[in-house]
Amino acid sequence: DVKVTQSSRYLVKRTGEKVFLECVQDMDHENMFWYRQDPGLGLRLIYFSYDVKMKEKGDIPEGYSVSREKKERFSLILESASTNQTSMYLCASSSSSGQGGQPQHFGDGTRLSIL
Amino acid sequence: DQQVKQNSPSLSVQEGRISILNCDYTNSMFDYFLWYKKYPAEGPTFLISISSIKDKNEDGRFTVFLNKSAKHLSLHIVPSQPGDSAVYFCAASAANFGNEKLTFGTGTRLTIIP
Repeated sequence: DVKVTQSSRYLVKRTGEKVFLECVQDMDHENMFWYRQDPGLGLRLIYFSYDVKMKEKGDIPEGYSVSREKKERFSLILESASTNQTSMYLCASSSSSGQGGQPQHFGDGTRLSIL
Repeated sequence: DQQVKQNSPSLSVQEGRISILNCDYTNSMFDYFLWYKKYPAEGPTFLISISSIKDKNEDGRFTVFLNKSAKHLSLHIVPSQPGDSAVYFCAASAANFGNEKLTFGTGTRLTIIP
């Protein structure tokens, strides 16, 4: 079974803080993703990575950065947290098999509150 | 610009009856479509997918139908069970975006009434 583990289930931080969200997968997947989920907006892609040290912007990258130094680990960084970044953050991974439609496997999410 | 749309935010269905969840898309380049199920406080879990070269895919109680001309897909759950109560997301991928990237809809909350 694929296991995607997010380091924290709940996190409370203050405005202006630098925040790190960590994600680890155990299936040797090439692809990793960070999303945020907000009511009525579904899942929106922040950043994704096809390989170690590779990253690409998703649909809403502003205010975020990412780091992928090892294949199994993908970190999301909020450079200077703001209240509009209060959200549920979801990490996912998938295999790059060359065939389309590869399902992404998700962690259980981190509910982040910025005060 | 919402490329994948789920126009029904919620749906209630009697236990044992059929649940039909709908999804529309605008990008004709999408070539794979997936459905995910999400319980509160958990991540989404993959349910079923369909390639654009097919019009139906079935897995147990779950069947996905694709109508390419209408840019519409639907998920049928028969018979519906209380454990099916969750939020359902449809998602799509396109070869020109890289098949690994998914575009998600906004979700439909399904409630199964015992």
